[in-house]
Amino acid sequence: EAGVTQFPSHSVIEKGQTVTLRCDPISGHDNLYWYRRVMGKEIKFLLHFVKESKQDESGMPNNRFLAERTGGTYSTLKVQPAELEDSGVYFCASSQVLAGASSYEQYFGPGTRLTVT
Amino acid sequence: AQKVTQAQTEISVVEKEDVTLDCVYETRDTTYYLFWYKQPPSGELVFLIRRNSFDEQNEISGRYSWNFQKSTSSFNFTITASQVVDSAVYFCALSEAWSGAGSYQLTFGKGTKLSVIP
Repeated sequence: EAGVTQFPSHSVIEKGQTVTLRCDPISGHDNLYWYRRVMGKEIKFLLHFVKESKQDESGMPNNRFLAERTGGTYSTLKVQPAELEDSGVYFCASSQVLAGASSYEQYFGPGTRLTVT
Repeated sequence: AQKVTQAQTEISVVEKEDVTLDCVYETRDTTYYLFWYKQPPSGELVFLIRRNSFDEQNEISGRYSWNFQKSTSSFNFTITASQVVDSAVYFCALSEAWSGAGSYQLTFGKGTKLSVIP
């Protein structure tokens, strides 16, 4: 079974440009999460999808960030326009809650390293 | 608010030594879950263990063991007889328990970089 995949692995853009990150979750996983790690800081939650719906976007830093999950499959995270402080590693994770289960694991992708110059 | 503290930023050990990674957490929830993830040089976060707040039994998996102590809000991770392949960044994380609502986001510590020297 394929794991969580993310594309691109690394992106270098100039301040003011637009970048779109993509995440393909594990097949069948309804829950999809985006996290970000800015250098030297903790990995921070950005938002959570359940299928195609945004369940929680409380971690999104500002309206320059737009996340979508078309058809409840893959997700994209667009940064427009990018700022220097957006540099970091963006992780995607997916999980599935089994009927009757009280816990879950989130499985992470390798991350996309975004560098804004 | 939830918080996870990993006070050790970097640790270096010589191969075959034992090493313990510390994790202290804060939460107001009575039911919660604790996790450890490993991030090898390749970058992905690899799930290692999940522990619920009702189960304080220590767990051992090969050379890995975890010590959960609710009284001190700690969930420490020990690697016995360390190997070079254990070199990675290790993250401790916390989430509330699943109840059918909410995001169940993970709250991470800053990570501990472990270097095992041959």
